[in-house]
Amino acid sequence: AQRVTQPEKLLSVFKGAPVELKCNYSYSGSPELFWYVQYSRQRLQLLLRHISRESIKGFTADLNKGETSFHLKKPFAQEEDSAMYYCALSGQGTSGSRLTFGEGTQLTVNP
Amino acid sequence: DAGITQSPRYKITETGRQVTLMCHQTWSHSYMFWYRQDLGHGLRLIYYSAAADITDKGEVPDGYVVSRSKTENFPLTLESATRSQTSVYFCATKDRWMNTEAFFGQGTRLTVV
Repeated sequence: AQRVTQPEKLLSVFKGAPVELKCNYSYSGSPELFWYVQYSRQRLQLLLRHISRESIKGFTADLNKGETSFHLKKPFAQEEDSAMYYCALSGQGTSGSRLTFGEGTQLTVNP
Repeated sequence: DAGITQSPRYKITETGRQVTLMCHQTWSHSYMFWYRQDLGHGLRLIYYSAAADITDKGEVPDGYVVSRSKTENFPLTLESATRSQTSVYFCATKDRWMNTEAFFGQGTRLTVV
């Protein structure tokens, strides 16, 4: 079974402070991991995928297979980062690729 | 326009009625998904489909039915709506290649009274 856990439902930081959104996963195999973001009244959109090792809007995420984690980090939070963030795992279901999301973390960046 | 569209955007229905939420894509992506989004639960997978005529249950399939006779459409039917099915429903598509991005519809806000 595949599972994604985001332990913090709410996270509040001040502008300019570092931020880390935690994500742990459970999957017996090589997972594809993603971070999606949902800004207010907008549809979900991809932020990062682990395979790319890229930095988007200052965010980075490193896959740690030993700890089964894929935490999202940004050194200096901005007010426009306020949004709902979802960690997602794509693994093999009985009928092919099954995309599972965590419960989400609502990030608020205060001025 | 190319993309993924859901209809209707908003729906109010009565307990016990059958409701169908539509999802249409123009990309011919192999995979399609239905999720419900509830406070405290995040996005939960209802059903998914790897191709036309191939569907499978997700985490919370009870009370829902799907079909996929054509690649581009993936309707979700609530056979007999209950208040607990009040939620925001999202459809998503994903190409069959590894590590590809999933694209989401704008959501359908369903209220069961």
